[in-house]
Parts: sequence; C-alpha cells; structure tokens
Amino acid sequence: ETGVTQTPRHLVMGMTNKKSLKCEQHLGHNAMYWYKQSAKKPLELMFVYNFKEQTENNSVPSRFSPECPNSSHLFLHLHTLQPEDSALYLCASSQGPGIYGYTFGSGTRLTVV
Amino acid sequence: DQQVKQNSPSLSVQEGRISILNCDYTNSMFDYFLWYKKYPAEGPTFLISISSIKDKNEDGRFTVFLNKSAKHLSLHIVPSQPGDSAVYFCAALLNSGNTPLVFGKGTRLSVIA
Repeated sequence: ETGVTQTPRHLVMGMTNKKSLKCEQHLGHNAMYWYKQSAKKPLELMFVYNFKEQTENNSVPSRFSPECPNSSHLFLHLHTLQPEDSALYLCASSQGPGIYGYTFGSGTRLTVV
Repeated sequence: DQQVKQNSPSLSVQEGRISILNCDYTNSMFDYFLWYKKYPAEGPTFLISISSIKDKNEDGRFTVFLNKSAKHLSLHIVPSQPGDSAVYFCAALLNSGNTPLVFGKGTRLSVIA
C-alpha cells in the first residue's frame, strides 16, 4: 500500500474514553505531522516528528499524546477529551519539515460526546 | 496571529468562467507558497506551488500569481469545471528549511453547472 493511511476513518468517543489514532506512510519520508481541521479555522499544526524525534509541539493540551515508534508510523493517543476537540485529524508526511512535498492521509473524523 | 489569511470563506462561480482565490500573508520571510485542494472525506492534495523568485507559475488550467510587495498570492482556474468544487488551502513555507507549512483557513469553491 502506498501513500499515507489513517485509521480509523471515523471515531465517536465519550469524554472519559481512551482511544488512539493511527497513521502509516510507505513513502520513505522522514517527517510526520498531526494537523487538526476544525470548521472555519486554518489547518492547525499539532505535532511534528523528524526521524522519530518530536521537533514541534504547538502548545497542544496534554490530553493529546503523540507517539512515533519509527519513521513510518505515528499515533495520537486521546484521553479525557472535550466536545470542542471534535474535528478532522489529519496526518501528513514529507521528506523533511522544511520540504514542501507533504502527502496527507484522508483523516480521522473525531466526534467527542 | 494568523500568518496566512484567506479572507473569503466561500466562492461560487459559473462553469466555464474564471475562479480567483486569494491569499494574503504577513511574514516576509516566507519564500515558497503552495495551494492544496481538499474534497470532503479526503486529505488535502497538492495542486500548484510558486517560489518567491517568481511571480507566476502555470499548470494547465491552474495559474498562481505572486505579488511579493503586497504579500498576496492568487490562484486562477480557467475554465472552471464542476469537479473543481472543493476547499482550497493556501500554504506558505519559511526559508529556514526546517519549519513546517503554515496553512490558511481555506476557501470553499463551488462551480455551478
């Protein structure tokens, strides 16, 4: 499989649940990203990983916890979320953070109830 | 403070006519600009880009114009087709070589047949 794959595509979770989003890329890229897309807002960068190391945390609340076990996989662990965290969560990858060839996954549509 | 601004949340254009999507930026250190297109339930896909050393880049029906003095770029689609209906994101890259893309809020284009 090629490109960037995100699972699940849709997720509904209660505020007390713990869940994880998964992202996988088979492009040989070294950098991976989590973005959040809410209605009427820009694509908000959450985290950047470069060669498995976190290089940027854009003041994201601790209820979002990323994990990058290797350059091909990226997770976003979720716990005690709020309804305002409902959004489309997009994963992307590129050769490096400053290299523009980003490839995005299809996203996970998260609803917190 | 938003560094990349797309002030028109939506635009409707008749099929066959020109679509013009605008983007303004505030950081003069940006030196590479991109447009991404996003259909519902899919991740953004790269459409066209322009380097700050150019003022125009053309690819088929899509042309991007850059006015550095005004810190403004625009995407022209001619002729517009119903399949162009999507959300278009403007993005910019700093010349530091190690910082992620900065996105605007997006403009929803509707091409009416």
